[in-house]
Amino acid sequence: AQTVTQSQPEMSVQEAETVTLSCTYDTSESDYYLFWYKQPPSRQMILVIRQEAYKQQNATENRFSVNFQKAAKSFSLKISDSQLGDAAMYFCALDSNYQLIWGAGTKLIIKP
Amino acid sequence: DVKVTQSSRYLVKRTGEKVFLECVQDMDHENMFWYRQDPGLGLRLIYFSYDVKMKEKGDIPEGYSVSREKKERFSLILESASTNQTSMYLCASSFSGRGISYEQYFGPGTRLTVT
Repeated sequence: AQTVTQSQPEMSVQEAETVTLSCTYDTSESDYYLFWYKQPPSRQMILVIRQEAYKQQNATENRFSVNFQKAAKSFSLKISDSQLGDAAMYFCALDSNYQLIWGAGTKLIIKP
Repeated sequence: DVKVTQSSRYLVKRTGEKVFLECVQDMDHENMFWYRQDPGLGLRLIYFSYDVKMKEKGDIPEGYSVSREKKERFSLILESASTNQTSMYLCASSFSGRGISYEQYFGPGTRLTVT
């Protein structure tokens, strides 16, 4: 069975600092996609970043970057220069045959 | 801008009632999804549809059915609502591509309470 595990239910970071959210997964596929989605309070879920497993280079989107370790099945999200607007639930997801398997989520708190 | 809309933000229903949740997307996406979101469990797929009139069961289809008569519209039906179906329901849509996993676009969610 394919699984996604986010071991940190909640994280907090000081504004302007860097924070890393952890995600591990399990799959028997050799080619797959991994995603981080963000769900701000009372707002819609949106895509943060996407990684294709066959690409060794880590994906980056502005202040958001991933550390993709395929052999270790690890996919962490690093947020640099944290801003108040980054406060949200963050979900890690694995694509499995065009369906997403989701982690339980990490609540990120930004301290002003 | 991609827009996915859901018919209600909040809904309160009684046990045994038939409940309809509707989702509409305006981006001509082939795929549409219904998820249930519960704290500590992430999102769980109820049903998805990859084309008009086509549907596939997700991980937790029991107690639910779906309908997709038009490409832009995907409905979730609770035939006889029960208290354990109290939850947040999220609709999403995406393009379909062989070998490619496209971004899913989400609606705002419907918080359903069954009493």
